[in-house]
Amino acid sequence: AQSVTQPDIHITVSEGASLELRCNYSYGATPYLFWYVQSPGQGLQLLLKYFSGDTLVQGIKGFEAEFKRSQSSFNLRKPSVHWSDAAEYFCAVGGGFKTIFGAGTRLFVKA
Amino acid sequence: DAGVIQSPRHEVTEMGQEVTLRCKPISGHDYLFWYRQTMMRGLELLIYFNNNVPIDDSGMPEDRFSAKMPNASFSTLKIQPSEPRDSAVYFCASSFTGDQAFFGQGTRLTVV
Repeated sequence: AQSVTQPDIHITVSEGASLELRCNYSYGATPYLFWYVQSPGQGLQLLLKYFSGDTLVQGIKGFEAEFKRSQSSFNLRKPSVHWSDAAEYFCAVGGGFKTIFGAGTRLFVKA
Repeated sequence: DAGVIQSPRHEVTEMGQEVTLRCKPISGHDYLFWYRQTMMRGLELLIYFNNNVPIDDSGMPEDRFSAKMPNASFSTLKIQPSEPRDSAVYFCASSFTGDQAFFGQGTRLTVV
């Protein structure tokens, strides 16, 4: 069965520090993978997606993610976090017309 | 394009009342999804449409929930009768390819 696991419910990082949010998936075929960000009171906004090709994908707002098939992972990274990055981040997997979302990781940024 | 538009943004209703949530997808998108987000269950897909036809409604929790898409630019999600456990944020999303979804800002429903 398809599933997405985000092991960290919340993470706190200092402004300017690097960030890595973990995502593991279970899928029977080559997955389509996504990272979304949700700010309070807002809908989900797509940060980046992986369909095929280069396993390191660049997204908006300085985020990137790396697809590692051997580890069934699609971790999100950012070299230097800004206070405005505080939000909830969702990893998602989909191979057709349904997308399954992880439970989300809430990011707190401290000054 | 203004993006996916949902109305109302907030809805407070009494238990037993009928609630109707509305969605206008992005023009040209032929997939429309309804999601429900709660703290306990996260983001759940309730139903999705392709070319105005419901394709999979297996996520609809009960018969109290129904969704329609009378045309390509409008969809509704109705709960009748509403119950306190229906309180959640309901998102509508649309997609051109069926894979990448564009989300509305959601409707926060509170049933008292």
